[in-house]
Amino acid sequence: DAKTTQPPSMDCAEGRAANLPCNHSTISGNEYVYWYRQIHSQGPQYIIHGLKNNETNEMASLIITEDRKSSTLILPHATLRDTAVYYCIVRVLMDSNYQLIWGAGTKLIIKP
Amino acid sequence: DTGVSQDPRHKITKRGQNVTFRCDPISEHNRLYWYRQTLGQGPEFLTYFQNEAQLEKSRLLSDRFSAERPKGSFSTLEIQRTEQGDSAMYLCASSLAPQGVDGYTFGSGTRLTVV
Repeated sequence: DAKTTQPPSMDCAEGRAANLPCNHSTISGNEYVYWYRQIHSQGPQYIIHGLKNNETNEMASLIITEDRKSSTLILPHATLRDTAVYYCIVRVLMDSNYQLIWGAGTKLIIKP
Repeated sequence: DTGVSQDPRHKITKRGQNVTFRCDPISEHNRLYWYRQTLGQGPEFLTYFQNEAQLEKSRLLSDRFSAERPKGSFSTLEIQRTEQGDSAMYLCASSLAPQGVDGYTFGSGTRLTVV
């Protein structure tokens, strides 16, 4: 079962910041939060991951609340090419191996 | 190296036939993963290799499914006696860091349609 909850879809205007929320209220202390995106008919693309601290890279920023029960992925200046399904994922330890548990994701549509 | 390659991109097969998919990971990545994705859902873990050793298999991987990575480089996923429920996108991913800490690199997948 997925450990994350995301809205099924969101719109954002081109050039604006896209803020994608994710709830992971049952996350454990050593479980990382990962974000991937999947553009239609392609494999998922890694965006960013974090544990406790906020993280930033060339693609996005990840803001994790202090209680770690939710996080927000921020795409600072969305373009039409950012239209994709965005997955918020928790990496869990299962059967002595870490696995990424995927939910259904948020379909983000960037509008001109 | 252009990333993770999967072949074929699309496969249509009749129910009951066997199919085999190939995955070529990024050359320096020693970890390789297979996932299955059905329409509107996120990927589901199937199995995981570290070098040539298959270290983890999901309960989703029935007896009709088998995966190999004979030389620790490319991997194959075979489905025997295909069923309509096997229709899905089969994704391969690879990583270098333990447990994919730095994120997996996915291929574009093989879309299987069983008719």
